[in-house]
Amino acid sequence: QVQFVQSGADVKKPGASVKVSCETSGYTFMRYAIHWVRQAPGQRLEWMGWIHGGNGDTKFSEGFQGRVTFTRDTSASSVYMELSGLTSEDTAVYYCARAASSYDPSLPFDYWGQGTLVTVSS
Amino acid sequence: DIVMTQSPDSLAVSLGERATITCKSSQSVFYNSNNKNYLAWYQQKTGQPPRLLIYWASTRDAGVPDRFSGSGSGTDFTLTISSLQAEDVAVYFCQQYYNTPITFGQGTRLEIK
Repeated sequence: QVQFVQSGADVKKPGASVKVSCETSGYTFMRYAIHWVRQAPGQRLEWMGWIHGGNGDTKFSEGFQGRVTFTRDTSASSVYMELSGLTSEDTAVYYCARAASSYDPSLPFDYWGQGTLVTVSS
Repeated sequence: DIVMTQSPDSLAVSLGERATITCKSSQSVFYNSNNKNYLAWYQQKTGQPPRLLIYWASTRDAGVPDRFSGSGSGTDFTLTISSLQAEDVAVYFCQQYYNTPITFGQGTRLEIK
């Protein structure tokens, strides 16, 4: 079965960077895009962007452009999200999620990781 | 950016009764070339990631009970649960994927009356 397993919770100081991993299994990693979505306390879900497992193409939300990096390791069927210049407003649960279709990376998300809580605090 | 607005923010419904949640987009999410509405609905239970319920505004994802249905077109959409079950207590979100940035509604909290 399809599974997404994310790295554990992390605490960072303002100005630092955080890297969250998402290990996938149970499907052909190279065929799908993986999205990153975050959920700050009491806020709506916020889309950050996606990376394609096959060709590594990326697309970012303008709100994160220049501050977020997506990478992938095809041998490990894993994707990574690194966010720099952290502030308290980046405190959130970060999710990886798969686009539901292999032919359109922007389609809705049919499988999700369990979420990773990132807390930014001095 | 397309702004998604849901109503109500919270809703209490008796077991076995109908629950209706609406979602309005700030611009149309209907794509003429393929006659599809780029609108999805998710369910999120406490401590869990969201679960995809509906896409293309009215297509249920695999394994979603048929008491869940989606309707609407253009800018106005509805999620209906025909007969509320205890396990349906959750927050429900709409999402547009017509263009980027992909955006979500603020969520509707559904409880048992």
